[in-house]
Amino acid sequence: ELKVEQNPLFLSMQEGKNYTIYCDYSTTSDRLYWYRQDPGKSLESLFVLLSNGAVKQEGRLMASLDTKARLSTLHITAAVHDLSATYFCAVYGTSYGKLTFGQGTILTVHP
Amino acid sequence: EAGVAQSPRYKIIEKRQSVAFWCNPISGHATLYWYQQILGQGPKLLIQFQNNGVVDDSQLPKDRFSAERLKGVDSTLKIQPAKLEDSAVYLCASRRTGGKANVLTFGAGSRLTVL
Repeated sequence: ELKVEQNPLFLSMQEGKNYTIYCDYSTTSDRLYWYRQDPGKSLESLFVLLSNGAVKQEGRLMASLDTKARLSTLHITAAVHDLSATYFCAVYGTSYGKLTFGQGTILTVHP
Repeated sequence: EAGVAQSPRYKIIEKRQSVAFWCNPISGHATLYWYQQILGQGPKLLIQFQNNGVVDDSQLPKDRFSAERLKGVDSTLKIQPAKLEDSAVYLCASRRTGGKANVLTFGAGSRLTVL
């Protein structure tokens, strides 16, 4: 069974600070997704990472993928309040053929 | 393009009652998913359709949950009889087939409360 673990699960940050969310997964994968979810809302796609060493950036968020280490990171630069949300990574296991989500990281950015 | 439509948005029922959720995916998206998201957890796949055929239903509690996708477009997810632990948001998602970069697009979800 494919396992996807995120850490930290809770992250409280001050505005202007940097931090990284980690996503570990247990088996071979050829694609990894990052999603954002605001309270009471559905999931919004942020990034798709398809190959080893892939890096994608959008605004203050940057995602990367290391398929050999089975690890993805979501780096937040100079956080602002609008980034407060829950962030999920989701991994498509090539053996299992389905998308498995991590537990989510609840990010709160304080002034 | 229009998004994934789901209804109802909210439903409150008592245990042992039945409930049905409806999903209309994005036009042209052959793959449709139902996920269950319990409060504080990540979404868990219940069932995946490719057109009107089931690809994966290994985590669907088949004694009480059923789903169908007639004509390869709309889908319904039914729970009968409901249990307290079925309280969750049921998310429908769709995806265009072919191309690893194609993301799952999620609907707004149907929030179920079982009393």
